[in-house]
Amino acid sequence: RKEVEQDPGPFNVPEGATVAFNCTYSNSASQSFFWYRQDCRKEPKLLMSVYSSGNEDGRFTAQLNRASQYISLLIRDSKLSDSATYLCAVRPGAGSYQLTFGKGTKLSVIP
Amino acid sequence: EAGVAQSPRYKIIEKRQSVAFWCNPISGHATLYWYQQILGQGPKLLIQFQNNGVVDDSQLPKDRFSAERLKGVDSTLKIQPAKLEDSAVYLCASSTRLSRNNEQFFGPGTRLTVL
Repeated sequence: RKEVEQDPGPFNVPEGATVAFNCTYSNSASQSFFWYRQDCRKEPKLLMSVYSSGNEDGRFTAQLNRASQYISLLIRDSKLSDSATYLCAVRPGAGSYQLTFGKGTKLSVIP
Repeated sequence: EAGVAQSPRYKIIEKRQSVAFWCNPISGHATLYWYQQILGQGPKLLIQFQNNGVVDDSQLPKDRFSAERLKGVDSTLKIQPAKLEDSAVYLCASSTRLSRNNEQFFGPGTRLTVL
């Protein structure tokens, strides 16, 4: 089993749709979780951290389920500008700042 | 605030040649990372520095890859000799404990093509 696995995608959705991405991780001791956004031929940029109680930032909602070892990202009211690849990243443990990334899921929002 | 700088942005070499990439992290960021991102994959950590010391290089193919950060600021990553499978984007990132969640900031990357 890979350390971090994501939905293979790609996801093609119409504007205004709600889309959800899931990510599972294998290391139960993992401490921190993140969603990054990567535009085509650009570097990854932090979209949001994922907290145990779940967190929301505008149209974006992130959830963590430690028991099942998965995190999710929900995008409501999709915009054309949301088209990008969404990368799940996991930090293995306390004191370690490394990130292990999933392969990413490509989202295309269609007019 | 200036971001992470990397050069060159693109490099094309033939297999068995050598290549070097340079990274200048955000000022004051003690931690520097080099990642390899193969097309269709997520970034994979190659090496992590804390100031001028190596924290983790367990995924660095040491028979051909080397990296240094001699003065704890700039860093270089070298591949010698290159193989076809080294074609990828090499991303440098930096972070500081002072930022929330030790957020890593990525540079624009160097796109390497090995022919």
